[in-house]
Amino acid sequence: DTGVSQNPRHKITKRGQNVTFRCDPISEHNRLYWYRQTLGQGPEFLTYFQNEAQLEKSRLLSDRFSAERPKGSFSTLEIQRTEQGDSAMYLCASSFGQGPETQYFGPGTRLLVL
Amino acid sequence: GESVGLHLPTLSVQEGDNSIINCAYSNSASDYFIWYKQESGKGPQFIIDIRSNMDKRQGQRVTVLLNKTVKHLSLQIAATQPGDSAVYFCAVLDSGGGADGLTFGKGTHLIIQP
Repeated sequence: DTGVSQNPRHKITKRGQNVTFRCDPISEHNRLYWYRQTLGQGPEFLTYFQNEAQLEKSRLLSDRFSAERPKGSFSTLEIQRTEQGDSAMYLCASSFGQGPETQYFGPGTRLLVL
Repeated sequence: GESVGLHLPTLSVQEGDNSIINCAYSNSASDYFIWYKQESGKGPQFIIDIRSNMDKRQGQRVTVLLNKTVKHLSLQIAATQPGDSAVYFCAVLDSGGGADGLTFGKGTHLIIQP
């Protein structure tokens, strides 16, 4: 399968714990995006990378959130000191090019904070 | 900032009929528009996109119409099938605004009646 992959698919954690999610984009896609989606809502943009550079962060991305893409391929999203309000689906997308190109989404990681 | 509005949270159609899903956006500088389909437990799946220099684009059984005057976008699905049941999101981007994250609407749940 050459689509965007995300791991784990599901994560249950206790409030206050740290969690890390991984995204593997479509091969050769230079742009990688993270979104968050809560029940009944559309995805909300969090941040994006062009190659290894993080070019934009949404105000939704609090200081407890950090994302990396060290080699310009896969990316990780870490949430520190999780809160119940962090419970959501975390989606990764990738695209190729310099301008507005189609973003292809992965299956998401569903996080539940107890 | 950009906001993307929803016309109907739910749309119920008979199998074989045509479906029309509508979307409104607020930023007149938006220049890239995408429709996604999301099935339960899955990530958004790309359906069709259109750029602001066009007002209509057709795919297989789908047509997207863009009316920049009233900032309105629609997705038409011909001969609706049971597999079309999903939540449909429109997403918009202002590529010149320095932000490459898509802004999504809340989605329309398309229900196919047998």
